[in-house]
Amino acid sequence: AQSVAQPEDQVNVAEGNPLTVKCTYSVSGNPYLFWYVQYPNRGLQFLLKYITGDNLVKGSYGFEAEFNKSQTSFHLKKPSALVSDSALYFCAVRDMRGGGADGLTFGKGTHLIIQP
Amino acid sequence: EPEVTQTPSHQVTQMGQEVILRCVPISNHLYFYWYRQILGQKVEFLVSFYNNEISEKSEIFDDQFSVERPDGSNFTLKIRSTKLEDSAMYFCASPDGTSGMNEQFFGPGTRLTVL
Repeated sequence: AQSVAQPEDQVNVAEGNPLTVKCTYSVSGNPYLFWYVQYPNRGLQFLLKYITGDNLVKGSYGFEAEFNKSQTSFHLKKPSALVSDSALYFCAVRDMRGGGADGLTFGKGTHLIIQP
Repeated sequence: EPEVTQTPSHQVTQMGQEVILRCVPISNHLYFYWYRQILGQKVEFLVSFYNNEISEKSEIFDDQFSVERPDGSNFTLKIRSTKLEDSAMYFCASPDGTSGMNEQFFGPGTRLTVL
């Protein structure tokens, strides 16, 4: 079975500072990894994904994430946080061996709070 | 940019009643999914649907749940006899094409409240 761990319920960062939201995963095969963001009373918006290739992937709104196979991690990062980045962030994984039918397995989410 | 739509945005029902949640996926997508998110908890996979039949389902998706695609555009989730613990946000999603590499596009969700 696959799983995702987001160890922090909440991350507080001052505006302009770099931010990191942590994610570790467990799958039997190789992973497809995703980050989504959820604003209040809204659906999930896709931020970025790792499939293969360069371990550093860039996504929407200046976010990036680094895939680390040895640590089974896929931490979300941004060099300079904005107040508008405040939201709930979800890491998700699916096993590369699965077909298109496999659903995503999500972490429990991390509340990111950017303080002005 | 095309988007997934869901109706209603909020559904309130009495315990034991049937509810149908509706989704209009992006038109050229082939796989469709339902997820739920109980308040304050993580998003959980319920079921995937391809070629007019269920492809995969989780242990949450028991006999009380069913899905169908009654026409070429709508994708529905039915809960036959709702329980209090069915109260949650229900999200429809679909990826572009059939590859597992593709990100899933999520609808805005339906908030189901069972009283």
